[in-house]
Amino acid sequence: GQQLNQSPQSMFIQEGEDVSMNCTSSSIFNTWLWYKQDPGEGPVLLIALYKAGELTSNGRLTAQFGITRKDSFLNISASIPSDVGIYFCAGRDAGNNRKLIWGLGTSLAVNP
Amino acid sequence: NAGVMQNPRHLVRRRGQEARLRCSPMKGHSHVYWYRQLPEEGLKFMVYLQKENIIDESGMPKERFSAEFPKEGPSILRIQQVVRGDSAAYFCASSLQGSTDTQYFGPGTRLTVL
Repeated sequence: GQQLNQSPQSMFIQEGEDVSMNCTSSSIFNTWLWYKQDPGEGPVLLIALYKAGELTSNGRLTAQFGITRKDSFLNISASIPSDVGIYFCAGRDAGNNRKLIWGLGTSLAVNP
Repeated sequence: NAGVMQNPRHLVRRRGQEARLRCSPMKGHSHVYWYRQLPEEGLKFMVYLQKENIIDESGMPKERFSAEFPKEGPSILRIQQVVRGDSAAYFCASSLQGSTDTQYFGPGTRLTVL
């Protein structure tokens, strides 16, 4: 099935550093979502994007819906230890917006 | 305001047994989705249900797997004659409106097949 290309696969950073991760698709999307999953828990929605070029913030998190509608990025500023987890991008294909398509996740480790 | 609830959180079955996973959506939500997640992987869509109806089961294996969302009670994902390859985390999500609405996830059921 269709899958998003999410990178990097994993990151190990120092507390206080900024983090950037991105997702690309082979087709045009009309929705981009960013979720965080803590160990042993379900994904929690961080940011939802619905329009090309849209830039949305949620505290130290900022995400953008790419102009081409085939990509999105998530930035985390001034990382803290509780940012540790797996970050997933997900989106809806403009041609079939019923299903959420998922990336494989970016695993983030923060060294205090 | 309870979120999506799933039980059990952990389930151990021997090969050939049946596994029943339950999902209670958020209050007022009538749309339920089931996903499977293998270790180190993303979520794979399995099935989308509304009350008493299966809307999209394109991600569900054709054999041994079934899902229902009755008028009363939780949604059930049923796996018959489990095999080792069924070991995974199974997540349920619910939404208020239809399939394009925001999905809220439960904590998952971790199935281990011995």
